[in-house]
Amino acid sequence: DVKVTQSSRYLVKRTGEKVFLECVQDMDHENMFWYRQDPGLGLRLIYFSYDVKMKEKGDIPEGYSVSREKKERFSLILESASTNQTSMYLCASSFLQAINEQFFGPGTRLTVL
Amino acid sequence: AQSVAQPEDQVNVAEGNPLTVKCTYSVSGNPYLFWYVQYPNRGLQFLLKYITGDNLVKGSYGFEAEFNKSQTSFHLKKPSALVSDSALYFCAVRDTTSSGGSYIPTFGRGTSLIVHP
Repeated sequence: DVKVTQSSRYLVKRTGEKVFLECVQDMDHENMFWYRQDPGLGLRLIYFSYDVKMKEKGDIPEGYSVSREKKERFSLILESASTNQTSMYLCASSFLQAINEQFFGPGTRLTVL
Repeated sequence: AQSVAQPEDQVNVAEGNPLTVKCTYSVSGNPYLFWYVQYPNRGLQFLLKYITGDNLVKGSYGFEAEFNKSQTSFHLKKPSALVSDSALYFCAVRDTTSSGGSYIPTFGRGTSLIVHP
């Protein structure tokens, strides 16, 4: 079974803190994605990576950065957390070709106070 | 550009009745289409996909979807709903003619399916 794991299910941080969300996949997928999910807005893509050290901005990259030093690991970084970044964060991975479905992690519910 | 619409925020159906969750799409070329399900406090799980060939696609948990090119639709269906099917359903599309962005699917906003006992 493909597994995508995320470092935390629930996280509570304070405004201004630096926050790291980690995602690991075990299927040798080239593509990895970070989304945020908010009620009524669906999934919005934050960043995407198709290879080690490669990254592309998604629809809402402001306030976020990413790191992909190893193929299996994709980290999302909130440099200075703000209350409007309170959300559910979902990581996903897939093989390179567009015909392939994505596999999602369980999500991290982040609350910024 | 690619886009997808799920016109219903919520669908209510009685257990044992057939269900349909609607999805329409817009692409420049041919679409790859996907359905995912999300149970409460969980990530999304893949249900089924249309790539090419037979317009009726069968997937997990008894779900199927019908690709209709003339109506640009890919509605999700199940002949007999279960209470355990209650979840959030997402449709996604990739445009096969997009270069660069073809790895990145566009998701609909999701439809909440509620199956009443």
